[in-house]
Amino acid sequence: QSALTQPASVSGSPGQSITVSCTGTSSDVGSYNFVSWYQQHPGQAPKLMIYEGSKRPSGVSNRFSGSKSGNTASLTISGLQAEDEADYYCCSYARSNSYVFGTGTKVTVL
Amino acid sequence: QVQLVQSGSELKKPGASVKLSCKASGYTFTSYALNWVRQAPGQGLEWMGWINTDTGSSMFAQGFRGRFVFSLDTSVSTAYLQISSLKPEDTAVYYCAREEENWFDPWGQGTLVTVSS
Repeated sequence: QSALTQPASVSGSPGQSITVSCTGTSSDVGSYNFVSWYQQHPGQAPKLMIYEGSKRPSGVSNRFSGSKSGNTASLTISGLQAEDEADYYCCSYARSNSYVFGTGTKVTVL
Repeated sequence: QVQLVQSGSELKKPGASVKLSCKASGYTFTSYALNWVRQAPGQGLEWMGWINTDTGSSMFAQGFRGRFVFSLDTSVSTAYLQISSLKPEDTAVYYCAREEENWFDPWGQGTLVTVSS
């Protein structure tokens, strides 16, 4: 199972919106609505931000939203803030009870 | 609150073995599978596999079959990851994470394993 493809980096100014893409295949992202997104600050454990493609856990800002089209899932951060600067990873359920992570995207707030 | 607490950092020589722990609290341990995720220095997250905390059955991603073993002690709500025949490329932070439906939450704080002679 190959890693899902994410851009290495995405940047934006405070207040702007950015989108992080996550491209898989018909064996993972394209077949299931089970994409989750994780935020990881340096030296910390990942934190769940989005699950089942577009749902936000309690406590996660509504500035974070998720969507999917075909084999590509997306994470959008609106009203970018300094605290959003982190690495972001997508993850998809794949066949045979397995999972696959994306390659990771470094989000920089300019 | 729901929490996973992992054991401390390990420094091992090549060829040795290591056993990491992940202690759960705040929920019924056997109701959720636990997954393990590896993160090599400066690299991304890599899914290793899961263990069914009720039955003890496990599944490993390709690349983690053979030297890696998941185990449980349900009496203390703890899962373990044992790695044998350690190689320098096993140097990484290893995370446990509770699997809820099809996402991971929460995560343990991670355990750094350093393999060096």
